[in-house]
Amino acid sequence: AQTVTQSQPEMSVQEAETVTLSCTYDTSESDYYLFWYKQPPSRQMILVIRQEAYKQQNATENRFSVNFQKAAKSFSLKISDSQLGDAAMYFCAYRAGSPSGGGADGLTFGKGTHLIIQP
Amino acid sequence: DTAVSQTPKYLVTQMGNDKSIKCEQNLGHDTMYWYKQDSKKFLKIMFSYNNKELIINETVPNRFSPKSPDKAHLNLHINSLELGDSAVYFCASSQPGTGDIQYFGAGTRLSVL
Repeated sequence: AQTVTQSQPEMSVQEAETVTLSCTYDTSESDYYLFWYKQPPSRQMILVIRQEAYKQQNATENRFSVNFQKAAKSFSLKISDSQLGDAAMYFCAYRAGSPSGGGADGLTFGKGTHLIIQP
Repeated sequence: DTAVSQTPKYLVTQMGNDKSIKCEQNLGHDTMYWYKQDSKKFLKIMFSYNNKELIINETVPNRFSPKSPDKAHLNLHINSLELGDSAVYFCASSQPGTGDIQYFGAGTRLSVL
């Protein structure tokens, strides 16, 4: 079974600084997707960024970027120029799949990292 | 328009009661899911449906029964509610072949007294 581990229950960063959230996973699959979701106090689950395992290039979305190390099974999230609105729980998630998609596999989530932004 | 909507947002009920949570998506997706988030914020898949057909049924008590009247709706019925069922339940949907991104509803907080 796949597992996702987030070793940092809580992180704190000064506004405008950069913070990195770590995530490791365990799988025997060669094709899969990795995700970071954000859950603010409103409890809405919001997709931050997605990475396909077959792509070597790290995904980026504005201030959010990942460091995907497939051999090490590591998928960290870097948030640059942190803003107060970034304060939330961040969940790393895994889904097995093929590059063409398909199937109805659920996401396997890590336990989350609570990110605090200090003004 | 909300893409994935769940009703109700909050549900408070007594042990032993039967309750339902409704979910609707207007994204035209073929696949829908139910997740449970416990008091420690841990999220776990419960069920997934693809085009009204049950695909995943994780180790969930059979008091929980999903029902999909059409591919835009996936409702969750819970019989004989127990204290341990208190949690936030999320509905999600995705479309295979389009990046497999799952879009979540706002969640339903169920409190069993």
